[in-house]
Amino acid sequence: GAVVSQHPSWVICKSGTSVKIECRSLDFQATTMFWYRQFPKQSLMLMATSNEGSKATYEQGVEKDKFLINHASLTLSTLTVTSAHPEDSSFYICSLPGLAASDTQYFGPGTRLTVL
Amino acid sequence: TQLLEQSPQFLSIQEGENLTVYCNSSSVFSSLQWYRQEPGEGPVLLVTVVTGGEVKKLKRLTFQFGDARKDSSLHITAAQPGDTGLYLCAGAKTSYDKVIFGPGTSLSVIP
Repeated sequence: GAVVSQHPSWVICKSGTSVKIECRSLDFQATTMFWYRQFPKQSLMLMATSNEGSKATYEQGVEKDKFLINHASLTLSTLTVTSAHPEDSSFYICSLPGLAASDTQYFGPGTRLTVL
Repeated sequence: TQLLEQSPQFLSIQEGENLTVYCNSSSVFSSLQWYRQEPGEGPVLLVTVVTGGEVKKLKRLTFQFGDARKDSSLHITAAQPGDTGLYLCAGAKTSYDKVIFGPGTSLSVIP
């Protein structure tokens, strides 16, 4: 399966600052990547679909101006949490899709964001 | 409305006991996946089921896909502390739909 890395693995920031999270596919190219958010003891909630060379597709209720996604290359997608607030504290996970949407996804190790 | 329901939501058992986790929906899915996630890590795929009535075994884990492809179960035999984690079912209605996740079952196996 695909190997996915995320950086940083954890970050603590002050309220009002912006934080960038990177998601890299280490062994194959991906035109699509997914960004999820997970609160403690809860499931994964899809935030947006990152598309290489075009705008990201955001899920209902996710503020596109707050969560900026840039699919810079076929191996890198970034999620920037702008003007972070304590309620943005969460576990952010990216994934790469399999050959078909119903196939398995290959998940990154996640990034723990804590906003003070 | 949660498209995929899981039960129980939390489960705490003694080492050696058996357990079953259920994943249910009113919709038909082309496939369902089961993932296990440990704290601070991303989900790891356990199995994908695609055929109605299919049963797959992975050591002490047995997965079943309902005949109508609307539900699935995960049975663990002789649970061990290493089985502790969040078990997530996920699926897509068709090959072109996004995968959605169930709410998860948090399992704790006490030594």
